[in-house]
Amino acid sequence: SAVISQKPSRDICQRGTSLTIQCQVDSQVTMMFWYRQQPGQSLTLIATANQGSEATYESGFVIDKFPISRPNLTFSTLTVSNMSPEDSSIYLCSVEGVGGASYEQYFGPGTRLTVT
Amino acid sequence: QKEVEQDPGPLSVPEGAIVSLNCTYSNSAFQYFMWYRQYSRKGPELLMYTYSSGNKEDGRFTAQVDKSSKYISLFIRDSQPSDSATYLCAMSGGAQKLVFGQGTRLTINP
Repeated sequence: SAVISQKPSRDICQRGTSLTIQCQVDSQVTMMFWYRQQPGQSLTLIATANQGSEATYESGFVIDKFPISRPNLTFSTLTVSNMSPEDSSIYLCSVEGVGGASYEQYFGPGTRLTVT
Repeated sequence: QKEVEQDPGPLSVPEGAIVSLNCTYSNSAFQYFMWYRQYSRKGPELLMYTYSSGNKEDGRFTAQVDKSSKYISLFIRDSQPSDSATYLCAMSGGAQKLVFGQGTRLTINP
């Protein structure tokens, strides 16, 4: 299994500002995923990030609001731009399992974001 | 209608009880069925997965899939306080995208 770290673990931000969340993996992976988990809600996929190509966004999420970088096979960032209180959530990154098994994803500990 | 429905609970049972957690789904293309466990302030961790219909057992945990009814279950035998967590079902049609249920918050009381 992969070991995933995220920075920051939590933050309190003012509306209108932006926050960049970092995700670091201890092994090289092709696909990384960014999820949002709002209070009392399920995990919702924001986008899939492959190294060397543009991220693929799910319906309801746009690049201008959630720009993603994937500079190499062990690192990715998600930026939450022009934040509003509705962006308060836990943001999680995950990576595919060994061999790219579609059922297996390993998650980071999450970044707890509060927007005031 | 959500693609995956899961009773959010909360569910509270005494130690040693058998716990049953369930999800229903609407997308017949789902082939992979997973259960993730999420402790407070942690990321989800994969607990079990099942491909297509059938049962799978791993220690005190049993996962069941009934594709004809679009219904999956996770059973926990001899439940322990350390099993207290939120349990999320997740499903996939074979691509990397996972669709999660809302999660059921479970508390095992000593």
